[in-house]
Amino acid sequence: GIQVEQSPPDLILQEGANSTLRCNFSDSVNNLQWFHQNPWGQLINLFYIPSGTKQNGRLSATTVATERYSLLYISSSQTTDSGVYFCAVHPGNTGKLIFGQGTTLQVKP
Amino acid sequence: GAVVSQHPSRVICKSGTSVKIECRSLDFQATTMFWYRQFPKQSLMLMATSNEGSKATYEQGVEKDKFLINHASLTLSTLTVTSAHPEDSSFYICSASIAGVGEQYFGPGTRLTVT
Repeated sequence: GIQVEQSPPDLILQEGANSTLRCNFSDSVNNLQWFHQNPWGQLINLFYIPSGTKQNGRLSATTVATERYSLLYISSSQTTDSGVYFCAVHPGNTGKLIFGQGTTLQVKP
Repeated sequence: GAVVSQHPSRVICKSGTSVKIECRSLDFQATTMFWYRQFPKQSLMLMATSNEGSKATYEQGVEKDKFLINHASLTLSTLTVTSAHPEDSSFYICSASIAGVGEQYFGPGTRLTVT
């Protein structure tokens, strides 16, 4: 089956710093989603992005489908950005989501 | 829009009993819902795909007789953990998509503890 790898696994930042999270996938996909899991376990949708670039406030994402990777950019990080960031891909037309192992981000004040 | 709820948020049960978890799409109809399981500090693993009006499709290694899924309406899917054991303790999360194969929206999760 398709493999989804995220890097780095852990990241510690000072408040105000910028960061880039990467998601590599081993096969072509129909779509890709980025999520933030908050400390209570809720998955928050960040981006639904099969290709190209999208921006939402301090966050932006770029997916290069032909090269099988996606990047999530966080600018001017805040302590509330802390948590786990997951990349998940839709392989085929089943609707299934295959998750990467996540990047745990800690933003220090 | 696209809100998914789960109930209960937390449940503790004794070994050998059964527990039912509900997943509802509040502001849209979902022909397909998905059930995931997440162990501490790990990623989400898909357990099964729940289709309204038909049998669920289980992922390899998931016991269908232990994890009963019913998708009785376009807004409700239930997961019943039968004869629960301590190793079934986990965080169970459901998701739904409006178009079945599009963007998925997740419920807040249910933390199950089996004593």
